[in-house]
Amino acid sequence: GENVGLHLPTLSVQEGDNSIINCAYSNSASDYFIWYKQESGKGPQFIIDIRSNMDKRQGQRVTVLLNKTVKHLSLQIAATQPGDSAVYFCAETLPNDYKLSFGAGTTVTVRA
Amino acid sequence: EAGVTQFPSHSVIEKGQTVTLRCDPISGHDNLYWYRRVMGKEIKFLLHFVKESKQDESGMPNNRFLAERTGGTYSTLKVQPAELEDSGVYFCASSQKRGYNSPLHFGNGTRLTVT
Repeated sequence: GENVGLHLPTLSVQEGDNSIINCAYSNSASDYFIWYKQESGKGPQFIIDIRSNMDKRQGQRVTVLLNKTVKHLSLQIAATQPGDSAVYFCAETLPNDYKLSFGAGTTVTVRA
Repeated sequence: EAGVTQFPSHSVIEKGQTVTLRCDPISGHDNLYWYRRVMGKEIKFLLHFVKESKQDESGMPNNRFLAERTGGTYSTLKVQPAELEDSGVYFCASSQKRGYNSPLHFGNGTRLTVT
């Protein structure tokens, strides 16, 4: 499942497929980016982060890609599982600020 | 370790009433943040404490909101008097340091409904 290049508020993906969630960030001066996962009734949970001097970072089943040229951030989830159903937020911060500016969020629904 | 805890989890009050939200950060975390998400929109920053001092309160919407962190431990956020547009989910977060290797840990939020 993928919302190619654009931020869409919802994404439906088949269990086992890969998911790609896109985010367009607002400030070209931002130098630190984070992806959060928010499950129903819970607060945002840190998934993975990336600094502006990198263009790719991998975690467990997740990969974050950063394209500073077009101010675009994406989160790739490999082999999506039912437990991955949640709202995913990207967030950015300015240098020496660390105050998070969140995107609108993408609701991911995993189909069995 | 215990996570960030917030109380209450839900609050329903009438317009004009007062509500106080509480946040207990992770023990030892000097940095405490308040955020809120209104009507399914983006999560917005409200303010930031370092220990008991307000470091940045640029996100506080107006003077009906008052945040305190006496003693540098738990924090309260009071809304007085509450208005309909204050409805939303209020999140508290804490971090040990400020910086790239010290991500924010969020509580489960307080869902505030003003009727």
